[in-house]
Amino acid sequence: QQQVKQSPQSLIVQKGGISIINCAYENTAFDYFPWYQQFPGKGPALLIAIRPDVSEKKEGRFTISFNKSAKQFSLHIMDSQPGDSATYFCAATSPGNTGKLIFGQGTTLQVKP
Amino acid sequence: DSGVTQTPKHLITATGQRVTLRCSPRSGDLSVYWYQQSLDQGLQFLIQYYNGEERAKGNILERFSAQQFPDLHSELNLSSLELGDSALYFCASSPDRGGRGYTFGSGTRLTVV
Repeated sequence: QQQVKQSPQSLIVQKGGISIINCAYENTAFDYFPWYQQFPGKGPALLIAIRPDVSEKKEGRFTISFNKSAKQFSLHIMDSQPGDSATYFCAATSPGNTGKLIFGQGTTLQVKP
Repeated sequence: DSGVTQTPKHLITATGQRVTLRCSPRSGDLSVYWYQQSLDQGLQFLIQYYNGEERAKGNILERFSAQQFPDLHSELNLSSLELGDSALYFCASSPDRGGRGYTFGSGTRLTVV
């Protein structure tokens, strides 16, 4: 119940295309869903986040779509660029007002020029 | 530079040894989190401290311990090291207990030989 399942494990997209990464969760007590971007040799960096009372959030080329009834959320990267090539992690906060984040397994995105 | 400083960046040590990883949180952040990142386990939450007190505990081994000092820096101590402890260890900080607005450091790569 504490897991966050992420797919696909890896993704190759052509420059200018749309990258879509999906996550699913079981615990309805999760109340904050961030996405992190990680480049090799760096720590994860917060990209965008959403709360379950919102169905969509957009920041630049990055959009989170949230389906509360299906307990799924996804990251869409529009007009994907080679500089977007990185590993992306979805996450959810653990209930209980701690800062613990439960991460998905990660998706390695490669954007081909 | 994320503002979260981790030292050392790399550490190579032998099995059975003990090491200490250090983290200085972003200025003003009261919470410090430790995560372990390995290829097969992804990002796993170890422990959270808030203003010097342990706030949440994850799958942290008994051989591992941590503390947060009055100046808010934190140390993660790993003892009786095993080959399987080889991983990236990340520290993150946030202003509050709830984990919104995490900032990760660049990590310490630990190799146990």
